[in-house]
Amino acid sequence: AQSVTQLDSHVSVSEGTPVLLRCNYSSSYSPSLFWYVQHPNKGLQLLLKYTSAATLVKGINGFEAEFKKSETSFHLTKPSAHMSDAAEYFCVVSEYANAGKSTFGDGTTLTVKP
Amino acid sequence: EAGVVQSPRYKIIEKKQPVAFWCNPISGHNTLYWYRQNLGQGPELLIRYENEEAVDDSQLPKDRFSAERLKGVDSTLKIQPAELGDSAVYLCASSLVTSAYNEQFFGPGTRLTVL
Repeated sequence: AQSVTQLDSHVSVSEGTPVLLRCNYSSSYSPSLFWYVQHPNKGLQLLLKYTSAATLVKGINGFEAEFKKSETSFHLTKPSAHMSDAAEYFCVVSEYANAGKSTFGDGTTLTVKP
Repeated sequence: EAGVVQSPRYKIIEKKQPVAFWCNPISGHNTLYWYRQNLGQGPELLIRYENEEAVDDSQLPKDRFSAERLKGVDSTLKIQPAELGDSAVYLCASSLVTSAYNEQFFGPGTRLTVL
């Protein structure tokens, strides 16, 4: 069975400071991992994905994530937060052996203070 | 390229009333998903279609929920009768094919309030 745990329900940072959103996963097989962002009243948008290639994945808007199998983690980072980064972020795990079924974390709300 | 379209965006109904949501996926996408997102939680899959076939409906409450995807394009999700606990955002998503590697493209959702 697959599962995802987002370790922080809320993260608050100041504009220009680093962002760290933490995600741990559980999977019986080699998983694919995704980060999606959801702005208010908008659909979820893909930030980046890991699919067994390079363990350090770069995404849109300066975000990146590192797949660490030994720690079963896939944390999302950004060197410098921007006001427009304020949103809800979801970590997602998907298994090829599970017919590609996706399991979402409960989300992390990122607040960016001026 | 047009994204996933959903309507209505908002719906308020009284309990025991029926309600229907409509989704038009991205052109050419074979796989269509309906998710329910409760407040403060991540989306949970209700049903997944590959073309017009429902290949995973294990989480769909079949006593009151139904869905269809005629001709493998548009889809409708229905609740009859609605209960207070059905208040949530209903998301539609599509992808080229079903795969652990494929990105899903999401619509803006329908926010349902049951009074």
